[in-house]
Amino acid sequence: GQQLNQSPQSMFIQEGEDVSMNCTSSSIFNTWLWYKQDPGEGPVLLIALYKAGELTSNGRLTAQFGITRKDSFLNISASIPSDVGIYFCAGQMTGTASKLTFGTGTRLQVTL
Amino acid sequence: GAGVSQSPRYKVAKRGQDVALRCDPISGHVSLFWYQQALGQGPEFLTYFQNEAQLDKSGLPSDRFFAERPEGSVSTLKIQRTQQEDSAVYLCASSLFQGSYGYTFGSGTRLTVV
Repeated sequence: GQQLNQSPQSMFIQEGEDVSMNCTSSSIFNTWLWYKQDPGEGPVLLIALYKAGELTSNGRLTAQFGITRKDSFLNISASIPSDVGIYFCAGQMTGTASKLTFGTGTRLQVTL
Repeated sequence: GAGVSQSPRYKVAKRGQDVALRCDPISGHVSLFWYQQALGQGPEFLTYFQNEAQLDKSGLPSDRFFAERPEGSVSTLKIQRTQQEDSAVYLCASSLFQGSYGYTFGSGTRLTVV
């Protein structure tokens, strides 16, 4: 099935650094979401974006819904060790109810 | 319950065996979803229920996959004649109402077909 393209695939950063990751699609979505998944657990919703151009923050996390509706990015400021995990973007197309198309994931590892 | 509960957490099946995976959604949640997550990949949609009605099963990979939610609460995903390519984590999620993105995912069932 279709998966959205996320980059980078993985990243090693030091505690306190800012992190940026993005997600692109060949299709238009009307909603973008960002999830975090820890090992052995299901994804947990971090941020939801509903309008093209929208910029939304949740604590140290900031996400934007691209103007073209085909991309989104997630920034994490001042990373801490508990930010370790896999981050997934997900998009929803018009007319597909709540069915989500997920990205391939960005694995984040934070060193002290 | 407080969260979405899935059982078993781990299942090893011999190729050709039938398996049944259970999902207990959050009490009162109308919508229920099943996703399949292969190793190193993002979750992929399988099927969606609103109460007991299966409204979308477009993601089920073959007719060996069958899902039900007969009383609008607990759901079971059944895989017949398992194949090695069925090995994955199967995630269940529920939400309070249709159209809500506040999915709560369970921890998943890791299926290994040998």
